Amino acid sequence: LAKTTQPISMDSYEGQEVNITCSHNNIATNDYITWYQQFPSQGPRFIIQGYKTKVTNEVASLFIPADRKSSTLSLPRVSLSDTAVYYCLVGDMRLTGGGNKLTFGTGTQLKVEL
Amino acid sequence: DTAVSQTPKYLVTQMGNDKSIKCEQNLGHDTMYWYKQDSKKFLKIMFSYNNKELIINETVPNRFSPKSPDKAHLNLHINSLELGDSAVYFCASSPEDQDEKLFFGSGTQLSVL
Repeated sequence: LAKTTQPISMDSYEGQEVNITCSHNNIATNDYITWYQQFPSQGPRFIIQGYKTKVTNEVASLFIPADRKSSTLSLPRVSLSDTAVYYCLVGDMRLTGGGNKLTFGTGTQLKVEL
Repeated sequence: DTAVSQTPKYLVTQMGNDKSIKCEQNLGHDTMYWYKQDSKKFLKIMFSYNNKELIINETVPNRFSPKSPDKAHLNLHINSLELGDSAVYFCASSPEDQDEKLFFGSGTQLSVL
């Protein structure tokens, strides 16, 4: 499994764009990049997933450069409710039937203030 | 309706006791998991079941025994609880062919005194 490295914490203000970068130098050809969000006292929630270039959904955008050794989760115009821990995961999506051993690192604690 | 529900939400017990945590999902998923989150928020997989069959057992002590009576349920029984077992335990499930998209329960905070 590819190891990931992301900042321990980030601070931002309401209305700003937040970019959280994750390094995964050992990413394998079949690995996908997945981001989760966790609020206090809740389980993580799937945000977005990508393989290369850019992916966008109603919550965030995910930018992946050509070498795929890093990825950036972009949250547009954050609000107080975006305060959470954000996890970057890398894994082989070909494995099905419960074979994926997705392990979450310590994540990035994002704090949004007024 | 809660997609993945686990009970109890809080569990406080003495060392040496045996306890169980229950999990149910109504999403129709074939795969279910147990994760453990320690005090440093590091979240690690413990077990994975696919359609009632054990797929992953990540070097978890034998005191931990998962049981899946059907594919919608995955319970976790812990024998002879130790102080180091104190953590938040999360149940999760994932759809067929999308194992990376995990749906988590709200967790069970286990405190061993």
